[in-house]
Amino acid sequence: KQEVTQIPAALSVPEGENLVLNCSFTDSAIYNLQWFRQDPGKGLTSLLLIQSSQREQTSGRLNASLDKSSGRSTLYIAASQPGDSATYLCAPVPPYNTDKLIFGTGTRLQVFP
Amino acid sequence: NAGVTQTPKFRVLKTGQSMTLLCAQDMNHEYMYWYRQDPGMGLRLIHYSVGEGTTAKGEVPDGYNVSRLKKQNFLLGLESAAPSQTSVYFCASTPGRADIQYFGAGTRLSVL
Repeated sequence: KQEVTQIPAALSVPEGENLVLNCSFTDSAIYNLQWFRQDPGKGLTSLLLIQSSQREQTSGRLNASLDKSSGRSTLYIAASQPGDSATYLCAPVPPYNTDKLIFGTGTRLQVFP
Repeated sequence: NAGVTQTPKFRVLKTGQSMTLLCAQDMNHEYMYWYRQDPGMGLRLIHYSVGEGTTAKGEVPDGYNVSRLKKQNFLLGLESAAPSQTSVYFCASTPGRADIQYFGAGTRLSVL
């Protein structure tokens, strides 16, 4: 059974810092992986989808990397801003059932001015 | 373009009462999902649908039923609510298998 761990669970940083959020999964055979953002009291918003054949995917200040062999994905946030404050979740899709995502418990990020 | 709309946004039930949560999407997506989110547990899949008229069980289906009579709507039913079903419920949809998921704003349910 796929298990997903996100470290750290919480992070508080001053604005302007470059950040690294980590996602580890126990079964390296994934179909693809999504990173989501969740604002307090709101639903999830997809940030990046990275296919199993890709090493990284970029959108603006966000860059997601994928290392299947080690069961890891990393979300880099460049030049963090207070508006980046949210919970970030990763969700790999297992190849044996591509209908489903398996969610990690998230990293709660606070960026202060 | 509303995306994914969930109703109601909040609800308080007494143990044993029933209710239906409605999810509607206007993006013509084939796949729809119901999740619950609990502190420390992350999002867990309750039921999902891969097309109109189809449903399938997820990770935590017990105590819930679903129906997808129309492509744009996915209903989640609680026949006899229990305090353990106190949670935030999210609906999501996606155009195809393993594609980007679009989420609703959630329904916060308390069962007393």
